[in-house]
Amino acid sequence: DQQVKQNSPSLSVQEGRISILNCDYTNSMFDYFLWYKKYPAEGPTFLISISSIKDKNEDGRFTVFLNKSAKHLSLHIVPSQPGDSAVYFCAAGNYGQNFVFGPGTRLSVLP
Amino acid sequence: GAVVSQHPSRVICKSGTSVKIECRSLDFQATTMFWYRQFPKQSLMLMATSNEGSKATYEQGVEKDKFLINHASLTLSTLTVTSAHPEDSSFYICSARKVDEQYFGPGTRLTVT
Repeated sequence: DQQVKQNSPSLSVQEGRISILNCDYTNSMFDYFLWYKKYPAEGPTFLISISSIKDKNEDGRFTVFLNKSAKHLSLHIVPSQPGDSAVYFCAAGNYGQNFVFGPGTRLSVLP
Repeated sequence: GAVVSQHPSRVICKSGTSVKIECRSLDFQATTMFWYRQFPKQSLMLMATSNEGSKATYEQGVEKDKFLINHASLTLSTLTVTSAHPEDSSFYICSARKVDEQYFGPGTRLTVT
């Protein structure tokens, strides 16, 4: 059973608009969450993280929101740019331990 | 940020041979490194957790005698695919833990012919 789910395998957004990528997790003990971006044939690169003591973390165009009661987090990209087109992985886990990755969502930002 | 390198980036080998992939943390010491495998259109699958100076911990279903992991120092971990078969062809990615984040290497594309 998947502990981390990204129910949208793909998402298309117009350049300049907001991209919202969603992630759900099942383990209420998870206390640390991350988003990674991956281009084809490259390793994932870290984007942004959030700990369970917060409900929002912002870094430039990227904002992660955490809803602990719903076991849900989302990544907002505003404004979206064509270079943001990639696969985005959500990961969840506990501080100091390994993370469980979701299946990824392929984002396409259309010019 | 932190930099993790992998070598080689791409390797083609014949069935039955062994291949070694190196993972290095270039600007930090990593007591823990992880090895992942990614199949096309699938998520990253954790293969094993490697701790410096001790035996690796393998995930269920991963053959430890086939995928040999050595974490020789705080900046180097190696994955050796022994007696490779075509089904071992995949994209292998390592990552290193620095404090509370994981930094990933660029990946190694293994093709077994």
